[in-house]
Parts: sequence; structure tokens; C-alpha cells
Amino acid sequence: EAGVAQSPRYKIIEKRQSVAFWCNPISGHATLYWYQQILGQGPKLLIQFQNNGVVDDSQLPKDRFSAERLKGVDSTLKIQPAKLEDSAVYLCASSLYGNQPQHFGDGTRLSIL
Amino acid sequence: GQSLEQPSEVTAVEGAIVQINCTYQTSGFYGLSWYQQHDGGAPTFLSYNALDGLEETGRFSSFLSRSDSYGYLLLQELQMKDSASYFCAVRDLGDSNYQLIWGAGTKLIIKP
Repeated sequence: EAGVAQSPRYKIIEKRQSVAFWCNPISGHATLYWYQQILGQGPKLLIQFQNNGVVDDSQLPKDRFSAERLKGVDSTLKIQPAKLEDSAVYLCASSLYGNQPQHFGDGTRLSIL
Repeated sequence: GQSLEQPSEVTAVEGAIVQINCTYQTSGFYGLSWYQQHDGGAPTFLSYNALDGLEETGRFSSFLSRSDSYGYLLLQELQMKDSASYFCAVRDLGDSNYQLIWGAGTKLIIKP
């Protein structure tokens, strides 16, 4: 079975610019997650989707971050405008349902200059 | 509040056994997961304990004591490829949603 696909793998932008990340989960997985992982820390959940509905976005900085999963399959995460503290790896994960093990993509390493 | 504690770094010798501990404090504990992450790689699922006791999967075992809010990951016959960060993560049932709350990770350094 194909794993979780993410792109781009790396991204370098200047502060105040915008950036978007794309994720395609494992086929048939209803639940999709976006995490932010700062170097030396554990992943921090930004948003969780169940099919195309948002289940949890309590830790998403909604003034600059947005995410969508319009058809209940792939998803995009956007940051606009970016701040220096947004430098991190953005991980996408999926699971069959919300209480099942999560499968992660390789992530997008974002550097803000 | 919700918190997880695990050591930041553990060092062991190739071929030895190492235990990585995790203590937690959550309001709606449902289970404890362990994930492995190599530098620059994605976290990969290792194990899940919902009930007290030991779960064994090859060289890796995971233990849970719900009464002590404590669990550990045991790695046997250590190999150099086991050098990675190991995260404990609590599955918490909050607001009818299964949340995964992550620890900060333990970096396992293996010496030949």
C-alpha cells in the first residue's frame, strides 16, 4: 500500500510570504492530521479532519494558518503570512479512523528567512 | 492539565537492553502509543497499550501501568539502526475526540 505523500519536501521563504503544503493520505483513511514539529520537540497537532470535516483545530493559529480537505481525500495547509517562529517540519498523517495508529508522511521542512 | 515526561536522552551499547520510561498526566486516558523517528524521517508506529501489562513485538516490548500512569518501551538486542528518537504519546478522549498527546521524545544513542 502506498504511504502518505507530502510535497514539497523542503521550502525556504522569507517572513511575511505565504506557503502551501500538500498531503495525500493512504487510500481509505478517513482521518487526516497536520502536525508541526519544531526541532527537538514532539509533534504538535495543528488540525484533524474526519473525512472533509474538521474534528479539532484548537491549536491552529487561525490568524495565519488555514487548512482544507474539500473532497475528503487530499489536503492543503497554508501559512499566510509566515513568521520566523513557523520554521519547523510540517507532518501530515492519516489513520483509518481517529483511534487507529497514525501513518506519517516524510514531512515538509520549512525554513523562514 | 495534560503532560508527558520522558528522558531527553539515553545511551546504550550495541547488543544490550534499554528501557525508555514515560509518565503521563491526562484527564481522559485511553491508551499509550510509542513511535520511532530517525533523524530527518517520519515517525513510525511501534506499539499501543490500552490495558495494563506487557506487549511484545519482536525485539521491542511496551508496558503499561494505568494505576501508576506509567509506561515504558523496552528494546532488546540493540542494533545501530535503533539509534533514533522515541516518542510516547497518550491517546486521550477529550470532547468526544481521540487526541494524541505527544511527549518531547527520547533520543537513543547506541555505541558500538
